Amino acid sequence: SQQGEEDPQALSIQEGENATMNCSYKTSINNLQWYRQNSGRGLVHLILIRSNEREKHSGRLRVTLDTSKKSSSLLITASRAADTASYFCATDATIYGNKLVFGAGTILRVKS
Amino acid sequence: DTAVSQTPKYLVTQMGNDKSIKCEQNLGHDTMYWYKQDSKKFLKIMFSYNNKELIINETVPNRFSPKSPDKAHLNLHINSLELGDSAVYFCASSQVVGGDYGYTFGSGTRLTVV
Repeated sequence: SQQGEEDPQALSIQEGENATMNCSYKTSINNLQWYRQNSGRGLVHLILIRSNEREKHSGRLRVTLDTSKKSSSLLITASRAADTASYFCATDATIYGNKLVFGAGTILRVKS
Repeated sequence: DTAVSQTPKYLVTQMGNDKSIKCEQNLGHDTMYWYKQDSKKFLKIMFSYNNKELIINETVPNRFSPKSPDKAHLNLHINSLELGDSAVYFCASSQVVGGDYGYTFGSGTRLTVV
């Protein structure tokens, strides 16, 4: 069954605004990862946060992890039209074996 | 140089046919995967190989058969194609087994069964 649930399902913002996407999951995890998928393309790994980390930054991306609430958020600051894509969280959990389990994704549209 | 390459990018075929999708990675990774993405963009793992050995075989019809001739290649053969097989199939690789590192994905093969 699906491990991660993203929220919202779709998000539309103006260029320059910040975008926040949330991911909730069900079991204890080893790490949580965020991926971007542009239309008609494969997924691109953005950032990995381990279960003992609370926050991680990469460029305009900020990821937080709250293991007590089993949730993570991805913040994209100063969004650009090129950030328009689907964003997926994926969890690595011992209970699920040697694989990443993906959520359903958030569709982000950045209007210029 | 493309890190994970899949061929073909598009595949349109009739019900009942047999088809193959090829995947190659030049990253030196040990582990390769096949994922299926449905029309709602939900990604589900199908198979995983580590150093040519099958380690994950999810509940997939046995019409789907993966083959890994070496650790850089993972192909997917599908027999007796059905309408419900229409989806985008992604190959991915990772340095080691499991999710301890990020996956590198190919650009996908859009399979349409008519």
